[in-house]
Amino acid sequence: GENVEQHPSTLSVQEGDSAVIKCTYSDSASNYFPWYKQELGKRPQLIIDIRSNVGEKKDQRIAVTLNKTAKHFSLHITETQPEDSAVYFCAASKTNLLNSGYSTLTFGKGTMLLVSP
Amino acid sequence: DAGVIQSPRHEVTEMGQEVTLRCKPISGHNSLFWYRQTMMRGLELLIYFNNNVPIDDSGMPEDRFSAKMPNASFSTLKIQPSEPRDSAVYFCASSFELAASTDTQYFGPGTRLTVL
Repeated sequence: GENVEQHPSTLSVQEGDSAVIKCTYSDSASNYFPWYKQELGKRPQLIIDIRSNVGEKKDQRIAVTLNKTAKHFSLHITETQPEDSAVYFCAASKTNLLNSGYSTLTFGKGTMLLVSP
Repeated sequence: DAGVIQSPRHEVTEMGQEVTLRCKPISGHNSLFWYRQTMMRGLELLIYFNNNVPIDDSGMPEDRFSAKMPNASFSTLKIQPSEPRDSAVYFCASSFELAASTDTQYFGPGTRLTVL
């Protein structure tokens, strides 16, 4: 099955710096890559996603890049703020042709981002 | 919309007891997912329903775990008998899925289960 590796496991930055989190996936058939943010004691919430037909997507201070050839994708946060502190999860999904064509997400282990004022 | 609703939010029980977790997906969503989150294993998919039918239960750890979705607005995850290693946060998520297309999964607030 799919395997998603995420690095680093923890990342500490100063407010205003940029943060980059990287993920690799194993199945070249994966075609959907969401990123979730989970604050302490809260639910994971989608912050941005990308599909395999594009290489980059931006939404204000966050962006995601995808390299299908190398099978890796990254989350970029610019001008970090203390409220960006959370655990970030990447995930990969593909259509499972063995199960009626539906798909499931495989999550990375998460990155704890700490933004110091 | 109220989002995905889960109950209870917290459950403390003793080993050997039956535990039932409940989930109400977002209205109109046709797919429902049960996940388990622990520090050691991260977010694991347990089972996935589409149009109330279980599609993939390969993540269910053992026969002590069972899940049902009797209608489009309700699902349960049952553990019987419970064991201390089942202690975790259990999330339910829902999405609107079409075959060969993945859409956003929206998570519920989770149930924190502690088995003593």
